[in-house]
Amino acid sequence: GENVEQHPSTLSVQEGDSAVIKCTYSDSASNYFPWYKQELGKRPQLIIDIRSNVGEKKDQRIAVTLNKTAKHFSLHITETQPEDSAVYFCAASISGSARQLTFGSGTQLTVLP
Amino acid sequence: NAGVTQTPKFRILKIGQSMTLQCAQDMNHNYMYWYRQDPGMGLKLIYYSVGAGITDKGEVPNGYNVSRSTTEDFPLRLELAAPSQTSVYFCASSSTGGDEQFFGPGTRLTVL
Repeated sequence: GENVEQHPSTLSVQEGDSAVIKCTYSDSASNYFPWYKQELGKRPQLIIDIRSNVGEKKDQRIAVTLNKTAKHFSLHITETQPEDSAVYFCAASISGSARQLTFGSGTQLTVLP
Repeated sequence: NAGVTQTPKFRILKIGQSMTLQCAQDMNHNYMYWYRQDPGMGLKLIYYSVGAGITDKGEVPNGYNVSRSTTEDFPLRLELAAPSQTSVYFCASSSTGGDEQFFGPGTRLTVL
């Protein structure tokens, strides 16, 4: 089955700096890659996703890049703010009948004021 | 719309007890999922359903059972609870035509 590896497990940045989280996947058939943000004690919430037919997608301060050849994708957060502090999860799935998501192990991002 | 709802929010079980975690969605989504999240880890898929009457195993199904008698409800049954089932359980749903999964607020289960 699919295996998703995520790193780093923890990341601290100064407010205003950029943060990058990287994930690799094993199944070349995967074609849907969402990123979820989870605040302490809360449910995961989708912040951005990308499909394999595009290489990059942006939404304000958040961007995701995908390299299908290398089977890795990354989350970029620019101009970080304290409210960006949370755990971020990447995931991968095959867009199809069931879209079973395989999650990475998460990155605890701390934005220092 | 309430979205995805889960009950209870918290529960403590003794080893060997059984319980049902409830999940409901009001978005008319065909696809529903159960995940567990252990401390400091990502979510792992337990069971999923692509429609009423259809369920299938995910990555970690042992010790659990599900049923899907209606589009709205997808309960998860724990039989003979074990300490290894201590976790936070999330239910999610998605539409047939879309990829995004919408998560419920979770149930924190402790087995002592």
